Amino acid sequence: NAGVTQTPKFQVLKTGQSMTLQCAQDMNHNSMYWYRQDPGMGLRLIYYSASEGTTDKGEVPNGYNVSRLNKREFSLRLESAAPSQTSVYFCASSEAVGAGPGPQHFGDGTRLSIL
Amino acid sequence: KNQVEQSPQSLIILEGKNCTLQCNYTVSPFSNLRWYKQDTGRGPVSLTIMTFSENTKSNGRYTATLDADTKQSSLHITASQLSDSASYICVVTRRTGNQFYFGTGTSLTVIP
Repeated sequence: NAGVTQTPKFQVLKTGQSMTLQCAQDMNHNSMYWYRQDPGMGLRLIYYSASEGTTDKGEVPNGYNVSRLNKREFSLRLESAAPSQTSVYFCASSEAVGAGPGPQHFGDGTRLSIL
Repeated sequence: KNQVEQSPQSLIILEGKNCTLQCNYTVSPFSNLRWYKQDTGRGPVSLTIMTFSENTKSNGRYTATLDADTKQSSLHITASQLSDSASYICVVTRRTGNQFYFGTGTSLTVIP
């Protein structure tokens, strides 16, 4: 039972380079999320996808794009990396429970450093 | 403004001792409150969920309480173990739009 799998686990980029962070879940969840976690700050939502075929901006979407490739996969792309995007990125998924979202299941993160 | 504040920011306790972590929120309208445990280098894992009608819920040595009137929650850890060393994050779900609001976490260190 893999849950939520993120790749890569670590990455170092130079300013201006691009890259895509991959996320896949095997729990058949409809909703998927991308967060960034910085020291002293709570998890901040970058983008989310309530269901396959839909994506919406979160709190800090600037500099990022996402693709909900299918129900399992949700990728995050940095088109032109900047040092301010150095962070730990978490992908999560959840399923509705009753009238609201169920618990989020998180991957183990991608640690991204931009020089 | 919808906010979640946790205290203390960090805490060091001796193995075997009890501790209590606090979470205050202003999120409205309230749907539920979850406590997550995040081990170093790992993603957060859900410990417990509190809905509006629940006052207390236990999960092993973890007991969460909720006072919806004062908008406060606490997580009590009994007979702490070294493996309890982690960051504990309080997350409040807003009923409208199903949005999640994260606290900045309490870093707990249990020492032998």
